[in-house]
Amino acid sequence: GQQLNQSPQSMFIQEGEDVSMNCTSSSIFNTWLWYKQDPGEGPVLLIALYKAGELTSNGRLTAQFGITRKDSFLNISASIPSDVGIYFCAGRTSGTYKYIFGTGTRLKVLA
Amino acid sequence: NAGVTQTPKFQVLKTGQSMTLQCAQDMNHNSMYWYRQDPGMGLRLIYYSASEGTTDKGEVPNGYNVSRLNKREFSLRLESAAPSQTSVYFCASSEARTSGRASDEQFFGPGTRLTVL
Repeated sequence: GQQLNQSPQSMFIQEGEDVSMNCTSSSIFNTWLWYKQDPGEGPVLLIALYKAGELTSNGRLTAQFGITRKDSFLNISASIPSDVGIYFCAGRTSGTYKYIFGTGTRLKVLA
Repeated sequence: NAGVTQTPKFQVLKTGQSMTLQCAQDMNHNSMYWYRQDPGMGLRLIYYSASEGTTDKGEVPNGYNVSRLNKREFSLRLESAAPSQTSVYFCASSEARTSGRASDEQFFGPGTRLTVL
């Protein structure tokens, strides 16, 4: 099945560092979503993007809807230990209710 | 307001047994979804229901059936479980309006961890 290419797959960073991750697709999306999943839990929505070029923040998190509509980016500033988890992107194309998920970026923060 | 609830949280089955995973949402959402999550594979869509009374196949529907009982409830049935169906199953819902700026963020339940021996 089709999945988004999400990178990096995993990363170890020091507390206080900034983090960047991205998703790319061969399809054009109308909606991009970013989720975080803690161990043993379901994904929780962080940010939703609806327009090419849109830049949206949620606290220390900032996400952007790529202008080509085939990619999206998530930045976390000044990381803290509770940022540990798996971050997923998801995209939806026009005319469908189906979402395609990326394979996830596993983030580990070293105190 | 409980959001999306799933039962059971854990289940162990023997090959060939059947079971139904239950999902309910109290957000009056139109669309509901079933995903499975395997290590390194992200989330893969099994079935979804765009609205009450309709269901459609996702990426990996083989071996599963679904039922949209009413607007609140969407169940997933394994008729004859196989070890390859060992996974974590997530139910999700979204408002998914067709007009205006669609509020189509998905909200997920806590998951059902299924092991098939």
